[in-house]
Amino acid sequence: SQTIHQWPATLVQPVGSPLSLECTVEGTSNPNLYWYRQAAGRGLQLLFYSVGIGQISSEVPQNLSASRPQDRQFILSSKKLLLSDSGFYLCAWRAWEGANTEAFFGQGTRLTVV
Amino acid sequence: GENVGLHLPTLSVQEGDNSIINCAYSNSASDYFIWYKQESGKGPQFIIDIRSNMDKRQGQRVTVLLNKTVKHLSLQIAATQPGDSAVYFCASPMKTSYDKVIFGPGTSLSVIP
Repeated sequence: SQTIHQWPATLVQPVGSPLSLECTVEGTSNPNLYWYRQAAGRGLQLLFYSVGIGQISSEVPQNLSASRPQDRQFILSSKKLLLSDSGFYLCAWRAWEGANTEAFFGQGTRLTVV
Repeated sequence: GENVGLHLPTLSVQEGDNSIINCAYSNSASDYFIWYKQESGKGPQFIIDIRSNMDKRQGQRVTVLLNKTVKHLSLQIAATQPGDSAVYFCASPMKTSYDKVIFGPGTSLSVIP
């Protein structure tokens, strides 16, 4: 069966520090991978998605970046965090074939920038 | 712009009653819709989905209704239980790019014991 791992679960980082959140998927090949951010009490904002190794689509211009060095690995990074980067970050995977497939989410990373 | 939005941000329901959560979608949404449940501090979990060739789909205690004429779908939860308290999102891949899945703002369901 497929599983998705996302870590760390919580993170407190000072303003201006770098960020690296990692997400890996097991049990599937060539998945679509996603990074979402969720502000408190709000919906999910799509940040990045990837349909293959090295292929990144950015949805919201900001100081975050994403990379997909391997088929089932998706990394969210920042060189210098801002206070506004605080939030709940969710990684998700989805089967690549067609439109009618649901996304499966990791357990999320709670990032607090102080 | 692309949007899958919800009518009500919060909903309080007495335990045992039925809950109805609504979602409106725009022309840019695809023909496939998904409902997710998100408990506090956790990632969203798939509840049920529906394709546009259907008007209704039933799961265990949940029913999704799709009205394509008015671009509206709803999630009905029968005999709501305390464990149903969570935020519920509707989502849809975009018609112009099925790889993008867009979520609505969510409805927070509170079950009153």
